[in-house]
Amino acid sequence: AQKVTQAQTEISVVEKEDVTLDCVYETRDTTYYLFWYKQPPSGELVFLIRRNSFDEQNEISGRYSWNFQKSTSSFNFTITASQVVDSAVYFCALSEAAQGAQKLVFGQGTRLTINP
Amino acid sequence: SAVISQKPSRDICQRGTSLTIQCQVDSQVTMMFWYRQQPGQSLTLIATANQGSEATYESGFVIDKFPISRPNLTFSTLTVSNMSPEDSSIYLCSYPEGGQETQYFGPGTRLLVL
Repeated sequence: AQKVTQAQTEISVVEKEDVTLDCVYETRDTTYYLFWYKQPPSGELVFLIRRNSFDEQNEISGRYSWNFQKSTSSFNFTITASQVVDSAVYFCALSEAAQGAQKLVFGQGTRLTINP
Repeated sequence: SAVISQKPSRDICQRGTSLTIQCQVDSQVTMMFWYRQQPGQSLTLIATANQGSEATYESGFVIDKFPISRPNLTFSTLTVSNMSPEDSSIYLCSYPEGGQETQYFGPGTRLLVL
């Protein structure tokens, strides 16, 4: 069965610090997709990134970067030079092609607080 | 991505009543999904709303409690029936895009049951 673990329940840092959010997943499928979503206090869920299981290239988008390592079943998310606007709950999620790629399993989320 | 909206954005309801939540997408989509997020918790898939057929429910969710309609390819409703305080949650709808791999979510409906 598929499972996503975000061991960090809450993280609090001072603005401009770098912060890494951890995500570990379990799946028996060879084809799967990994996602990160951001949920600000307003409640909407904002899509950040999708990664396919066959593409292990790391990705950088501005201050955001993602490190996908199949060997350790991890898909970690780093925010560089954090800002107060980055404060939100971040969810890592997994879907398996065999189960219908649209079925998302979410981790428990990491609440990130950036203090000025 | 298409624009997805939900109504109402929030509501406070009395126990024993029912609330219907609407989800509208500004373009036709093949599938729509409903999720529940209980306070301080993660998201759990309730059901897949299929156009022209009955919804497909996940384990732990039943049609009598969460009836779903999908009258066309841009619209769906979720009803939370006979509500109790335990139903207090954020309810979100979503649709898949990009080969059905990426899901985009509506703004959510915050429900408080007294």
